[in-house]
Amino acid sequence: KQEVTQIPAALSVPEGENLVLNCSFTDSAIYNLQWFRQDPGKGLTSLLLIQSSQREQTSGRLNASLDKSSGRSTLYIAASQPGDSATYLCAVRGGSYIPTFGRGTSLIVHP
Amino acid sequence: KAGVTQTPRYLIKTRGQQVTLSCSPISGHRSVSWYQQTPGQGLQFLFEYFSETQRNKGNFPGRFSGRQFSNSRSEMNVSTLELGDSALYLCASSSGSDTQYFGPGTRLTVL
Repeated sequence: KQEVTQIPAALSVPEGENLVLNCSFTDSAIYNLQWFRQDPGKGLTSLLLIQSSQREQTSGRLNASLDKSSGRSTLYIAASQPGDSATYLCAVRGGSYIPTFGRGTSLIVHP
Repeated sequence: KAGVTQTPRYLIKTRGQQVTLSCSPISGHRSVSWYQQTPGQGLQFLFEYFSETQRNKGNFPGRFSGRQFSNSRSEMNVSTLELGDSALYLCASSSGSDTQYFGPGTRLTVL
């Protein structure tokens, strides 16, 4: 059974810092991995999708990498802003094609 | 393009009742997935429908069921509600590119 862990569970940083969020998974036989953000009480917003054959994806200040062999993905946020404050979730699609979500990293960026 | 819409946004029910939630995907999307999000269990996959057929099912009891109509709109039904069914129910649609687009969710409270 796929298990997805996100570290740290919470993070508070000053504006302008570069930061890294981690996602690890136990079964490396995956189709893809997707990063989302969720604002309080809201649905999820897709940030980046990495297919199993890819090593990284970039969108603006966000960069996500994937290392299947070690079962890890990282989300790099450059020059963080208060508007980046949210919970960040990663989801892994494995052999059954059913997505498994991590518990998320709650990020606060203070001015 | 309009995003994924879910109705109702909030719902209060009592134990033993049943409830039906609705999801309208993004125009042209044929895949609809349902998720349950609780503080205790996080985000868990319920089921996925594609072209009116259930394609995947998560590990939930038979009280949870769903269907998809020919216009891709989907409904989820929970019968014999229990206190533990209180959660945010999220729907996501996809065009087949794997990227999922989430709706704002339905907050269900069971008293």
